[in-house]
Amino acid sequence: ETGVTQTPRHLVMGMTNKKSLKCEQHLGHNAMYWYKQSAKKPLELMFVYNFKEQTENNSVPSRFSPECPNSSHLFLHLHTLQPEDSALYLCASSQDPVGGGTDTQYFGPGTRLTVL
Amino acid sequence: GQNIDQPTEMTATEGAIVQINCTYQTSGFNGLFWYQQHAGEAPTFLSYNVLDGLEEKGRFSSFLSRSKGYSYLLLKELQMKDSASYLCAAPRGSNYQLIWGAGTKLIIKP
Repeated sequence: ETGVTQTPRHLVMGMTNKKSLKCEQHLGHNAMYWYKQSAKKPLELMFVYNFKEQTENNSVPSRFSPECPNSSHLFLHLHTLQPEDSALYLCASSQDPVGGGTDTQYFGPGTRLTVL
Repeated sequence: GQNIDQPTEMTATEGAIVQINCTYQTSGFNGLFWYQQHAGEAPTFLSYNVLDGLEEKGRFSSFLSRSKGYSYLLLKELQMKDSASYLCAAPRGSNYQLIWGAGTKLIIKP
């Protein structure tokens, strides 16, 4: 596998379900990101991990819980979601986060989430 | 405030040239990115400009004017596979965050 992979690609869940999204990067990068992409809206940064440590949490509701066990893997645990949480969830990685955002980010294909 | 503006949608003809504009307001300036995103796929990196002027990469070129807070992506010899959304993004400042535009959906017609 090369690049950034995400599973599952599609997920439908009820508001009371618990599910997890998985991201894996095979690029040897040190930073990983979760984004939310809704139709016709800019990408919304949710979380940033740098060397496995969370460095950014952009006021994301607690029903989204990230986990980064190592620099190659990133999870997003979902619980008690709302229909407005339906969106494309993208994972990305970059080599050196110290660059202050100037480092190129490489994205996975995303998980299309539908909350019923 | 900090924001990025780009047109929502553009239409062009196969074989033609199209220019996608992006205006930005950021605190400080650390360059500007362009990404391409086909429907249902990951955004992929196209270019990063930090100095004024035009940078050419094959059929795609990206231009930056820092004094005007303005960039554009120029696509030549359009092909049907160029139908995609084009995202403009700039670093927010001294952290890891990028400010993103909402993307320009480019529709190529035969």
